[in-house]
Formats: sequence, C-alpha cells, structure tokens
Amino acid sequence: DSGVTQTPKHLITATGQRVTLRCSPRSGDLSVYWYQQSLDQGLQFLIQYYNGEERAKGNILERFSAQQFPDLHSELNLSSLELGDSALYFCASSSGSGGMTDTQYFGPGTRLTVL
Amino acid sequence: AQKVTQAQTEISVVEKEDVTLDCVYETRDTTYYLFWYKQPPSGELVFLIRRNSFDEQNEISGRYSWNFQKSTSSFNFTITASQVVDSAVYFCALSADNNDMRFGAGTRLTVKP
Repeated sequence: DSGVTQTPKHLITATGQRVTLRCSPRSGDLSVYWYQQSLDQGLQFLIQYYNGEERAKGNILERFSAQQFPDLHSELNLSSLELGDSALYFCASSSGSGGMTDTQYFGPGTRLTVL
Repeated sequence: AQKVTQAQTEISVVEKEDVTLDCVYETRDTTYYLFWYKQPPSGELVFLIRRNSFDEQNEISGRYSWNFQKSTSSFNFTITASQVVDSAVYFCALSADNNDMRFGAGTRLTVKP
C-alpha cells in the first residue's frame, strides 16, 4: 500500500458525460501527478500540481482539467467523455521539491469505462 | 525529446530461472533519472528503483538487480531465481526535466511454476 488513495475504484458512464476522480496523496506529500493508462497509448503523464499550483502539463486534453485543494487532495475532471477516454487513471504523489524527477508513489487507480 | 524503449513485449520463464528485462532510453539531457515500476495483476504501480544519471553503480536489492550503462543508454533489470509472484508488467521510465515522465510500453513477465 503506497499510502495514496483514489476514489472511486471503478466508474462507468456514458459518452458526453462528466466525471470527477479524486486523489489523496501520502501524508506530507505536496506534489500530485495524474496519469492515464490505456491499451493504445500506454502510460501517459497528464498534469502535476505542487502545493496547490500547477507545475507541469503533459498530454492532457482540453476537455480534462484538474486542481489541488488546500488540504492537498486533488481532483481530475473529465468532461464531454468519449469512448476513447476509457482507461485506468492513476494519481501519484511525491515528497520532493516538486519536480518530475522525484520518486512518485502511485495510487491504486480509477478504472473509467465510457459506454 | 525523451524516449524509453522496452523491446521485450512478453517474457515467459519457469520458476527459479533468472530473467533480464531490457530498457533503452534516449535523452539529450546530461542530468536525468531512470525508474522501474512493477504492475502486478491487481493493477497498482509499485515503485522499485530510482537512479540518477551520475550514479552508474549497479544496484542489488534481494533478488533484484539493476545494470545502468550510460555508454549504451540502457538500464536493465534482472530478477534472480524468479518466483510466481514476480509475474507482472514491468515499466521502465525516464525523467530528464521537470516537465515530463516517459514510460516504456512495459514488459509482461510470466513466471510459471
């Protein structure tokens, strides 16, 4: 158990809908990272927050957004969902200075299925 | 641009065999970090090792060992005396700046009893 928690574990929704994925980092970690794992794209970095501020941005679609709250938990919002958004979404956290080179500890993931 | 290549898509071994998972990376940066993660059938990603580009010493942790060779841009992972519980997908990853982390496509290891 990495100490990173993600809810929900599974999510099934329809095309065009909007969902919110939640992540709580390990105690004391200020950085939160979001990744998408799909069969065709593999593991892709989406976005990183450090102590409430966006720090790095990867291949995140404009339909997706994220934020990190004062209590350091983070939410990933996915809107206008398409079939191709079906994937496993991971959150990770780290205790370093907020760089991508810090060791990241991953949560169990949220499996999103868009029907 | 950063790139990680794990050429072995799937490997199957019999328990107690040694197995090496290959990882080749590309980056123009002189300072970078390499990682290995394990994804067992349960789905979570488990951190195994982080190595920076200035530390070329090989590392051993129990049955696991890592061979980092800058000359060939490789960071290979060996499991000695494999066990059924080692069955998983293993990912190599590279981060060379503070804007990205690139994962390889992964190698699925199956250890048969």
